[in-house]
Amino acid sequence: DTAVSQTPKYLVTQMGNDKSIKCEQNLGHDTMYWYKQDSKKFLKIMFSYNNKELIINETVPNRFSPKSPDKAHLNLHINSLELGDSAVYFCASSQVAGNREQFFGPGTRLTVL
Amino acid sequence: GIQVEQSPPDLILQEGANSTLRCNFSDSVNNLQWFHQNPWGQLINLFYIPSGTKQNGRLSATTVATERYSLLYISSSQTTDSGVYFCAVEPGRYSSASKIIFGSGTRLSIRP
Repeated sequence: DTAVSQTPKYLVTQMGNDKSIKCEQNLGHDTMYWYKQDSKKFLKIMFSYNNKELIINETVPNRFSPKSPDKAHLNLHINSLELGDSAVYFCASSQVAGNREQFFGPGTRLTVL
Repeated sequence: GIQVEQSPPDLILQEGANSTLRCNFSDSVNNLQWFHQNPWGQLINLFYIPSGTKQNGRLSATTVATERYSLLYISSSQTTDSGVYFCAVEPGRYSSASKIIFGSGTRLSIRP
């Protein structure tokens, strides 16, 4: 009955590889987000999707491509991984009207070797 | 863009002590949330508090939007309160998504 779930929880890969992180929410929210937390614990928004439409793109390199097959899913695909991509990636969701409280998934720790 | 500053950056307390964490923001906001990131990395929602005061057990929060600050109070601290506390604000420039900007956090360590 997890509200926002992500897979995998840990991802270790080599430079240059392509990888995906999946996110699903069962809260009935219409907006989903990806955030990146760096080694200093700083959290920054990357993308936001509302009803499968990209709303926010925070100057993230185009090696990162979000895909939203439906309102409940927002996946993150990363091409040609670089050392600097190592971080914890969090998915979140919220309603866009009324109470806009965001709820976060457990995070995916990506390590690029 | 909006600046979100949290203080203190680090806080070490004995179990049972009380504490106040502060969040200042440089522009008007639509919403404000407080999160606790526990030592396992999970982000836990504490309060959704655009204005006013809310209480939940030993924790309470107050946001004075007109003066651009919010306070998180933790009373009778327990070791399980350890972790990083984040304030996050919504500047309100987007109508169809809620972009929130995080502060840099307060790292709280509760000693037994």
